Amino acid sequence: NAGVTQTPKFQVLKTGQSMTLQCAQDMNHNSMYWYRQDPGMGLRLIYYSASEGTTDKGEVPNGYNVSRLNKREFSLRLESAAPSQTSVYFCASNQGGGGEKLFFGSGTQLSVL
Amino acid sequence: DQQVKQNSPSLSVQEGRISILNCDYTNSMFDYFLWYKKYPAEGPTFLISISSIKDKNEDGRFTVFLNKSAKHLSLHIVPSQPGDSAVYFCAASVVFSSGSARQLTFGSGTQLTVLP
Repeated sequence: NAGVTQTPKFQVLKTGQSMTLQCAQDMNHNSMYWYRQDPGMGLRLIYYSASEGTTDKGEVPNGYNVSRLNKREFSLRLESAAPSQTSVYFCASNQGGGGEKLFFGSGTQLSVL
Repeated sequence: DQQVKQNSPSLSVQEGRISILNCDYTNSMFDYFLWYKKYPAEGPTFLISISSIKDKNEDGRFTVFLNKSAKHLSLHIVPSQPGDSAVYFCAASVVFSSGSARQLTFGSGTQLTVLP
């Protein structure tokens, strides 16, 4: 049982390049989330998907887009990467509908030069 | 403005002693609180939680206390073990205004080091 799987684990981009971070969960969860973690700032919500077919902005959505491809998969896209997007990105999921506990993937370390 | 604050970036404790990690929040709408533990190069893992209708929840060596009037919660680890060395995040939860999912707001974390 893999839980939440993120790919890639590491990525280096040049300013202006685009890329997609992939996330998949095998727990049959309804809700999925993307967070970024920056030093001294904890985890901040970028986007979330309460259920298949819906997505909503979180606290820091600018510069990102998301796609809930199906119930299992939720991707995060950077269309034109900027150095300010250098961060560690975490995908998470939970049952939703009031379920509180989030299950996290192991993260993607992204550097934008 | 940070709604969830962990004012101690780091804490060192001797093995076998008690570790106390603190967290303050400002939003009175938060109704569920969680602690997560994070090792390097791994994602956060859930540790323990407490509903706002309770003031204490215990799970083995871990106890979380909630003081709603002070908007303060704490995590006690007794006895502390070297394997507990990690970053601990406090999180507070409220249902999104759409009612469709829960929003978790995280503190900035406290690095706990348990010395053998």
